Amino acid sequence: QQPVQSPQAVILREGEDAVINCSSSKALYSVHWYRQKHGEAPVFLMILLKGGEQKGHEKISASFNEKKQQSSLYLTASQLSYSGTYFCGTAISGGYNKLIFGAGTRLAVHP
Amino acid sequence: EPEVTQTPSHQVTQMGQEVILRCVPISNHLYFYWYRQILGQKVEFLVSFYNNEISEKSEIFDDQFSVERPDGSNFTLKIRSTKLEDSAMYFCASSNSDRVTGELFFGEGSRLTVL
Repeated sequence: QQPVQSPQAVILREGEDAVINCSSSKALYSVHWYRQKHGEAPVFLMILLKGGEQKGHEKISASFNEKKQQSSLYLTASQLSYSGTYFCGTAISGGYNKLIFGAGTRLAVHP
Repeated sequence: EPEVTQTPSHQVTQMGQEVILRCVPISNHLYFYWYRQILGQKVEFLVSFYNNEISEKSEIFDDQFSVERPDGSNFTLKIRSTKLEDSAMYFCASSNSDRVTGELFFGEGSRLTVL
C-alpha cells in the first residue's frame, strides 16, 4: 500500500530543475506532497485530489495522473532552501482517514 | 498562526515502562493522527482518530498502543510496555478535512528513546 517514490536522491546546483515521482498500485483519492528538513516536522507543499482539484503553495507545481495512479512534483529553478527530504503521501479510494507516505526523496541543492 | 504542539520534546525511558505522548491539535480541527519516524527513515502511519473513535490504524498499532482525547483539547498516544524498537520520533498531526482531502498540520515531534 506504500507509494513508491523515485528517485531516492537528487543532487542539484542552484537554478537547476528536478522532478520527483510517486506511484501507487491502488486507486487513489488524493496525493499529498510534504518536505522535511533534518530534525524538523514535515511541511505541507501540495495536495492533488481525484477529479483535478489542487491546493498548495503557489510556487509548487505537481501533477496527478488518475489513470496511472502516479503523481509528479516539479521543482524549478531550485534554491538552497529546497534541500530536504520530499515525501509523497497517498490516500486510497475507499479509505477513510489514512495517509501513507513513501520512503522519501532526498534533495540536496548546492551553490 | 495556530500550530500543533507536542510534549515532551524528548523522553528517555527504560524498556517495559509506559509512556504517554501528548499533543494539542489546532483548536478547530476534528481529525487527528499519530505518525512515527525511526531515525533517517520514512514517516509511518500509526493511527487516525475522529469523533472520539479510531478511524484507521496500521499493523504497527498493536495492543501496546492506545490513543485518547481525554479532555477535548489534548490528544494522547500511550505505549504500555515500551520496547527498544519503539525508539523513534513521534509526530502528531491534525486536519479540518475528512478523508485527508486537506493539509495535515504536523507538530514538532516527540523523540522517544527506549534504553
